[in-house]
Amino acid sequence: NAGVTQTPKFRILKIGQSMTLQCTQDMNHNYMYWYRQDPGMGLKLIYYSVGAGITDKGEVPNGYNVSRSTTEDFPLRLELAAPSQTSVYFCASRGSGTVNTEAFFGQGTRLTVV
Amino acid sequence: DAKTTQPNSMESNEEEPVHLPCNHSTISGTDYIHWYRQLPSQGPEYVIHGLTSNVNNRMASLAIAEDRKSSTLILHRATLRDAAVYYCILRDPNSGYALNFGKGTSLLVTP
Repeated sequence: NAGVTQTPKFRILKIGQSMTLQCTQDMNHNYMYWYRQDPGMGLKLIYYSVGAGITDKGEVPNGYNVSRSTTEDFPLRLELAAPSQTSVYFCASRGSGTVNTEAFFGQGTRLTVV
Repeated sequence: DAKTTQPNSMESNEEEPVHLPCNHSTISGTDYIHWYRQLPSQGPEYVIHGLTSNVNNRMASLAIAEDRKSSTLILHRATLRDAAVYYCILRDPNSGYALNFGKGTSLLVTP
């Protein structure tokens, strides 16, 4: 049972480079989320999706883009990496049953921008 | 958004009960209280959630004050594996009911 899978686990980017953080889930969940976590802080919401083809901004969307072409995948794109985007990124998903269904998180992607 | 307030850190001895408090004085009548925890170098994981009544599961118990302005997560016998950051969370209805994380409480468990 894979759950939520994120790749890569670690990445070092140079300033101005681009990359895509991959997130896939095998639980047929409609809701998916991207968070970032800076050292010593809680998670902050970057983008979310309530279903395939529907995405919306969270609290800290600047510098990021997302797409949701399938139920399973929710990639996060960084177009012009900046040092301020050094963080740990977590993807999460949950089912649609009620608003209180349990959310499942991936293991995270640790990104360093130098 | 309704917010939660938790102590930054707490310490417990192994095999003793732990009571982790949370204040949520602006909670709405329909907000559930969720608890997640984050073990070192891992993603958060679900612990428990509740609305008004006290709740129990295999991991923990959740005691909710009658006025719902506060709650307490209870770990009945702390183990070293319970050392983690514990987050008391209200969902954000304006963001697909995303979990709205604060800084949480860092729990240290000593042998």
